[in-house]
Amino acid sequence: DVKVTQSSRYLVKRTGEKVFLECVQDMDHENMFWYRQDPGLGLRLIYFSYDVKMKEKGDIPEGYSVSREKKERFSLILESASTNQTSMYLCASIPRGAGDRRGYTFGSGTRLTVV
Amino acid sequence: QKEVEQDPGPLSVPEGAIVSLNCTYSNSAFQYFMWYRQYSRKGPELLMYTYSSGNKEDGRFTAQVDKSSKYISLFIRDSQPSDSATYLCAMSPPGNTGKLIFGQGTTLQVKP
Repeated sequence: DVKVTQSSRYLVKRTGEKVFLECVQDMDHENMFWYRQDPGLGLRLIYFSYDVKMKEKGDIPEGYSVSREKKERFSLILESASTNQTSMYLCASIPRGAGDRRGYTFGSGTRLTVV
Repeated sequence: QKEVEQDPGPLSVPEGAIVSLNCTYSNSAFQYFMWYRQYSRKGPELLMYTYSSGNKEDGRFTAQVDKSSKYISLFIRDSQPSDSATYLCAMSPPGNTGKLIFGQGTTLQVKP
């Protein structure tokens, strides 16, 4: 069974901390995405990556950065966590050239609380 | 104005009811249309996708696309308590980038 694994289900961090959210997929997918999900706002794209060492800003990249050193791993970094970054974070992947018919495979999400 | 609009609900129906979930969109260039189901404390999973206008059926689920009206729907027949979840519509802009634009999600509760 193919999987996207997010390392933590729940995290509580303090304001100002540097936070790392890890995502690993075992499907050899080229494209990986980080979204945040908030009530009433749906899923909003933070960053995405088409290949190793490549990254593109999504709609809300401010306060975040990413790292893709290996194909299977896509990390989201909160440089200095703030309370408005309290959210559910979802990682997703899709093969290149699959078109959008295949849809994403999502991880189970990381619920981050910044206090 | 958001590119994709979806009523967040919540929507509560009795078991066995027909459920209609809807999204409207503003970008006529959207190509693929999808519905994801998200159970509590889980990531979304792809339920159905469609490309052209018309209907697509899969068991108790029917996805409908009306490109002229920029309107998509998901119908659930004979709804079950196990259908209780958040349903998200998603659409792909042209260019095969893999990016998707999501609606806000509609929370559905099916009561036994």
